[in-house]
Amino acid sequence: QLQLQESGPGLVRPSETLSLTCTVSGGSITTDSYYWGWIRQPPGEGLEWLASIYYSGSTYYNPSLKSRVTISVDTSKNQFSLKLNSVTAADTAVYYCARRRYFDSFREWGQGTLVTVSS
Amino acid sequence: DIQMTQSPSTLSASVGDRVTITCRARQSIRSWLAWYQQKPGKAPSLLIYKASNLESGVPSRFSGSGSGTEFTLTISSLQPDDFATYYCQQYNSDQLTFGGGTKVEIK
Repeated sequence: QLQLQESGPGLVRPSETLSLTCTVSGGSITTDSYYWGWIRQPPGEGLEWLASIYYSGSTYYNPSLKSRVTISVDTSKNQFSLKLNSVTAADTAVYYCARRRYFDSFREWGQGTLVTVSS
Repeated sequence: DIQMTQSPSTLSASVGDRVTITCRARQSIRSWLAWYQQKPGKAPSLLIYKASNLESGVPSRFSGSGSGTEFTLTISSLQPDDFATYYCQQYNSDQLTFGGGTKVEIK
């Protein structure tokens, strides 16, 4: 059964770069037709999609964050990553990684990791 | 991007009630809509895909309908395990968007 696990620092200082990795187990990140994404949820708020990537390198970004977000994939490690630069307190959230097929919903999710932006 | 608007934002109901949540898209998304349930401290869980298709393992009291710009999620008889927050999400566009969520509370 496919599992996704987020990892990265739980505390990031303002103006620095938030970096998270999602490790995929129980399946290959290079499986045809599957896209890998990041979604976040500020405390007490709703869900916001950040970015998606296909193993070949095709990327898709939330227009409101595009200038600050980079998603990448490492097929040798079966991982994909998120970088969000110039963070502020507004970027404090639980960050989830997830998998979907093209033109389909997110069926598999990681458990989420809380990232707090604070000095 | 395609804005998704859910209503109501909060809903108070009793066990056994029929509950309906609405999701509206600013432009047509055909049937490319999903519904998720989220409980506190947990990741969202898929309930409905392609507007009306029940995900495997999801109880049949959940149903979805709609196409174009207006969609509904219905719980036919609310159970104690159903008190949670529900989100719609469109995937008609490469830029995915979620509704703001509907919290179903105990009346």
